Amino acid sequence: RKEVEQDPGPFNVPEGATVAFNCTYSNSASQSFFWYRQDCRKEPKLLMSVYSSGNEDGRFTAQLNRASQYISLLIRDSKLSDSATYLCVVNPVCGATNKLIFGTGTLLAVQP
Amino acid sequence: EAQVTQNPRYLITVTGKKLTVTCSQNMNHEYMSWYRQDPGLGLRQIYYSMNVEVTDKGDVPEGYKVSRKEKRNFPLILESPSPNQTSLYFCASSFSGGGYEQYFGPGTRLTVT
Repeated sequence: RKEVEQDPGPFNVPEGATVAFNCTYSNSASQSFFWYRQDCRKEPKLLMSVYSSGNEDGRFTAQLNRASQYISLLIRDSKLSDSATYLCVVNPVCGATNKLIFGTGTLLAVQP
Repeated sequence: EAQVTQNPRYLITVTGKKLTVTCSQNMNHEYMSWYRQDPGLGLRQIYYSMNVEVTDKGDVPEGYKVSRKEKRNFPLILESPSPNQTSLYFCASSFSGGGYEQYFGPGTRLTVT
């Protein structure tokens, strides 16, 4: 089993739609969780950190479910500019702040 | 402007010819790392450095070397490149470790023939 797993997609959605991605992780001791966005052939950039209580940033909402070991990203009112690959990232071991595990990414294509 | 720079951005080379990819950051970050990104495998960590003169292996270190003589620079060295090292390489830095936001360089696309 991969340490971090994501549905690769693609998710093809119309503008204005709501779309959700899930990401599962295998190490129950994982401490930090993030969503990064990567545009085609570009570097990843932090979209948002994921906190235990969940957090929201405009149209984006991130949730953490420790019991089921998954994190989610919800995008409301999708824009064409949201088209990108969304990477789930996990800091897997308590105290090992040097290591990050990246999922392979979920491709989102927002259609006009 | 706060940034991570990498050079070269594109490189085509032949098997066995030593090469170095440079990485530099201007944010006074302690932590720097190298990743390679391959289709279907995602980003995998090659090496990381917690500070000057402190480096350690990531998940896929074979065939690579690094050094951290200055805080701002973290070059990636391929002593004898092979075709299986053809990949997209990213350098990243952060304030301190994986629990902080990673700032990525623009990437280096390497082809080894």
